[in-house]
Amino acid sequence: GAVVSQHPSRVICKSGTSVKIECRSLDFQATTMFWYRQFPKQSLMLMATSNEGSKATYEQGVEKDKFLINHASLTLSTLTVTSAHPEDSSFYICSARDLAAAYEQYFGPGTRLTVT
Amino acid sequence: GENVEQHPSTLSVQEGDSAVIKCTYSDSASNYFPWYKQELGKRPQLIIDIRSNVGEKKDQRIAVTLNKTAKHFSLHITETQPEDSAVYFCAASYRNTPLVFGKGTRLSVIA
Repeated sequence: GAVVSQHPSRVICKSGTSVKIECRSLDFQATTMFWYRQFPKQSLMLMATSNEGSKATYEQGVEKDKFLINHASLTLSTLTVTSAHPEDSSFYICSARDLAAAYEQYFGPGTRLTVT
Repeated sequence: GENVEQHPSTLSVQEGDSAVIKCTYSDSASNYFPWYKQELGKRPQLIIDIRSNVGEKKDQRIAVTLNKTAKHFSLHITETQPEDSAVYFCAASYRNTPLVFGKGTRLSVIA
């Protein structure tokens, strides 16, 4: 149980275009999902907290107009990187917290974004 | 907000030896402390976690200790094997807050 999927696993896009990444909880309901970004040889840095049916909460320094987050249902959150630039190239990982589990976060497999 | 410090950043041990990774946290309200193992290009994998009402937890070759007074927790891996080589992250959170991660430790187990 507690499986989180992400799609796509890898994406290459041209500078200036937008990319959407989906995060789904497959066998549980998640009122809260989190989006992290991980640059090579670095730690996971929280970008935003996504709550179902409400606006996402962004961490300091993360542009909310550039990284659009939508959490329309208890099993789906999306991250859209708008007007992507090469410096946005990174490994994006979502995680979800089960309604029934107050502590553990379940991680998706990640999306490798490369902006050329 | 919470800040998690992790040491060392790299660790090399001989196969069969023990490895210890230490973390400190700043927010005394934090009460959940998981450890993750991450292989290159993969998602973090939970290997063990501990809550603040427990001082120590063990699962086969892996153990975690927590000192709430000092606000630090440690990961202990005994009888290390080459397949233990990976990057390990500690993290901390409180109730519904998101996990805050340490910077990671690259463990190399030399056969």
